[in-house]
Amino acid sequence: RKEVEQDPGPFNVPEGATVAFNCTYSNSASQSFFWYRQDCRKEPKLLMSVYSSGNEDGRFTAQLNRASQYISLLIRDSKLSDSATYLCVVKDNNNDMRFGAGTRLTVKP
Amino acid sequence: GAGVSQSPSNKVTEKGKDVELRCDPISGHTALYWYRQSLGQGLEFLIYFQGNSAPDKSGLPSDRFSAERTGGSVSTLTIQRTQQEDSAVYLCASSFLVQETQYFGPGTRLLVL
Repeated sequence: RKEVEQDPGPFNVPEGATVAFNCTYSNSASQSFFWYRQDCRKEPKLLMSVYSSGNEDGRFTAQLNRASQYISLLIRDSKLSDSATYLCVVKDNNNDMRFGAGTRLTVKP
Repeated sequence: GAGVSQSPSNKVTEKGKDVELRCDPISGHTALYWYRQSLGQGLEFLIYFQGNSAPDKSGLPSDRFSAERTGGSVSTLTIQRTQQEDSAVYLCASSFLVQETQYFGPGTRLLVL
């Protein structure tokens, strides 16, 4: 079993749609959680950290469920510019970062 | 200020040759990380440095891979006797402290023929 698993997609949604991605992790000792965004042939960039209480940044909402060992990312009112691959990242207690393979999102006009 | 930089941006080499990849972290960042991303795959963690020390080298794929960091700044990843399966994008990231946000460089695209 992979340490961090994501649905690879692709998710094809119209502009304005709401879309959600889930990610599961296997190491119950994981300490920190993040969503990164990666555009085609570009480096990953931090989108947002994921806090235990859940957190929101504009149209983006991230949630963590430690009991079920998954994190989620919700994007509301999708924009064309949201098209990218979204990487789920889990940092364990040794500070090792484990990346999921990414979920590809395409927002269409 | 300047972000993480990596060189070369692209490298084509023949199977069996050695290659050296360079990473310049953001100034003042104490932690530096190397990752590999193969086509359509997620990022594979290779190694990280806390200052000049690498606490855990177990992520390196084989003994052909080595990395060093000197002066708490620049790091080099060396791949000896390259194989075709080494072809990937090698990404470097740095953070102010190990537990803080990582910022990625643009990567080095390595192609082994």
